Amino acid sequence: EVQLVQSGAEVKKPGDTVKISCKVSGYTFTDYYMHWVRQAPGKGLEWMGLVDPEDVEIIYAEKFQGRVTITADTSTDTAYMHLSSLRSEDTAVYFCATTPSGNIGGYPFDYWGQGTLVTVSS
Amino acid sequence: QSVLTQPPSASGTPGQRVTISCSGSGSNIGSNTVNWYQFLPGTAPKFLIYINNQRPSGVPDRFSGSKSGTSASLAISGLQSEDEADYYCAAWDDSLNGWVFGGGTKLTVL
Repeated sequence: EVQLVQSGAEVKKPGDTVKISCKVSGYTFTDYYMHWVRQAPGKGLEWMGLVDPEDVEIIYAEKFQGRVTITADTSTDTAYMHLSSLRSEDTAVYFCATTPSGNIGGYPFDYWGQGTLVTVSS
Repeated sequence: QSVLTQPPSASGTPGQRVTISCSGSGSNIGSNTVNWYQFLPGTAPKFLIYINNQRPSGVPDRFSGSKSGTSASLAISGLQSEDEADYYCAAWDDSLNGWVFGGGTKLTVL
């Protein structure tokens, strides 16, 4: 059974950095891209970027360039997302999600983590 | 403001058929395939439709998708109470070099 298990909820202050992990099991980590998607309260979904654990290719959404870092650790089958310079608008549920490798825009997000709530408040 | 446009809400009574639209542009829906996702509170999101109209195993055939030009739609027939959820469309955008989503449609089963 495929599982993506994310780290727990975080409460941060403006200007802080948050790090969220996503540990996978049930499939070969390097066979899928790992994406990060967020959902702010009452808002739609936003794609933040992806990492290819096979060759560490990374693509970031333009909106988050310079603030987000996505990594993959093949020794522990875990992906990470760091978001820095946090502001109140970054309060959201953050999801990791996979798509099969080989066609970045051609396959759906087939497996999702349970989501991690990040609250940014002074 | 989401790149893809969905109605914020939809509703229907049990047994009815409802349709949710998703409008984009030539750089996303016009050039790439559309996927649909179901978000239920407290559960991991689930993909319902991929490559415009394909259903993964386990998704009832009550759910169907279609695409024409720069628009797509999700249809749910034989509406059931457990279909009450938020639904999102998504497509790759060649201009933005990233995935874009609709703003989501909250489906209420009356």
